[in-house]
Amino acid sequence: EIVLTQSPATLSLSPGERATLSCRASQSVSSYLAWYQQKPGQAPRLLISDTSNRATGIPARFSGSGSGTDFTLTISSLEPEDFAIYFCQQRKNWPLTFGQGTKVEIK
Amino acid sequence: QITLKESGPTLVKPTQTLTLTCTFSGFSLSTSGVAVGWIRQPPGKALEWIALIYWNDNKHYSPSLNSRLTITKDTSKNQVVLTMTNMDPVDTATYYCVLRRDDRFFVNWGQGTLVIVSS
Repeated sequence: EIVLTQSPATLSLSPGERATLSCRASQSVSSYLAWYQQKPGQAPRLLISDTSNRATGIPARFSGSGSGTDFTLTISSLEPEDFAIYFCQQRKNWPLTFGQGTKVEIK
Repeated sequence: QITLKESGPTLVKPTQTLTLTCTFSGFSLSTSGVAVGWIRQPPGKALEWIALIYWNDNKHYSPSLNSRLTITKDTSKNQVVLTMTNMDPVDTATYYCVLRRDDRFFVNWGQGTLVIVSS
């Protein structure tokens, strides 16, 4: 099973600041990594697929990068609605696995 | 418009069997490349993929839960049913129904249904 480790667990930032979230895989997932955003009481929403492809309707301030085992989600300038929990997920191997999440909170 | 909606009991006793139904619209589970599955999330914790069933009846299960799970589909009713046996309090979670196309990521999610396991 591929284990995804996200860091940091919590990121305390102010609106307008840049957020950098990390997801590290226990073995290569090639480019088959996605990022989801989840707000309280809501289902996750797909932000980025296959490392760097923004999903439909996702603003350009969200970007993804990386390959193999190290991936990054960057939010260039935090908007109030971006404070949420972010999960990464791989689809390289069965079972499909998720990271434990990074909470982006208002500082 | 694609929608998925979970239904099932809110409260289940330990050792009982959980049956959840996902009723969907806006797509067909007989279309090549389409799969419907389940992901769960214990309160305040991470997401965990559970099971997927494909248009061709191919099935995948989480290895850690495999012995307790059965996933079936009724294409005519646009439904997918998940059964999980021998429920335990650690299975308390929100269970989401999800759509997967062409082995890609999960774009479409249901609203989720909270299942509490308690005596």
